Amino acid sequence: AQKVTQAQTEISVVEKEDVTLDCVYETRDTTYYLFWYKQPPSGELVFLIRRNSFDEQNEISGRYSWNFQKSTSSFNFTITASQVVDSAVYFCALSEVGDDKIIFGKGTRLHILP
Amino acid sequence: DAGITQSPRHKVTETGTPVTLRCHQTENHRYMYWYRQDPGHGLRLIHYSYGVKDTDKGEVSDGYSVSRSKTEDFLLTLESATSSQTSVYFCAISESEREAEQYFGPGTRLTVT
Repeated sequence: AQKVTQAQTEISVVEKEDVTLDCVYETRDTTYYLFWYKQPPSGELVFLIRRNSFDEQNEISGRYSWNFQKSTSSFNFTITASQVVDSAVYFCALSEVGDDKIIFGKGTRLHILP
Repeated sequence: DAGITQSPRHKVTETGTPVTLRCHQTENHRYMYWYRQDPGHGLRLIHYSYGVKDTDKGEVSDGYSVSRSKTEDFLLTLESATSSQTSVYFCAISESEREAEQYFGPGTRLTVT
């Protein structure tokens, strides 16, 4: 069965610090997709990234970066030089090929303190 | 932004009454989903649709039914609302590829008293 664990329930950092959000997944499939979503205080869910299991290259998008390691079944998300606007709940998610569903982790609430 | 709307955005209803939530998309995407979000549980899938009149259950489908008579509309019905169904409900859509990223509507806050 597929499973996504975000062990950090809540994190607080001071603005401009770097912060890493952990995501560990379980799947029996060799082909799967991983996702990150952001939910700011306004409540909407925003798609950030999708990564397939055959692409282990790290991804960077501005201050955001993602580290995918199949050896440890992890897909961690780092925010560099955090800003108050990064305060949100972040969800990691997993979908197996051939499955119509995405399984979400329980989320990590990130507080960026001014 | 993906064209997804949900109605109503807020609703208060009494235990035992039927409630229908509507999700409408303008993207012509094949897949549509209903989730509920509760503190400590994250997002949990209720039902999803992979085409007109094609639906399937998610992990928390008890007490809910869905219908999709048109590509653009996906309805979630609580036949007899209970207090445990107080939650925020999100609709999502994705393209024809099964594993594509999902785009979410703004959510509906439902309170069952």
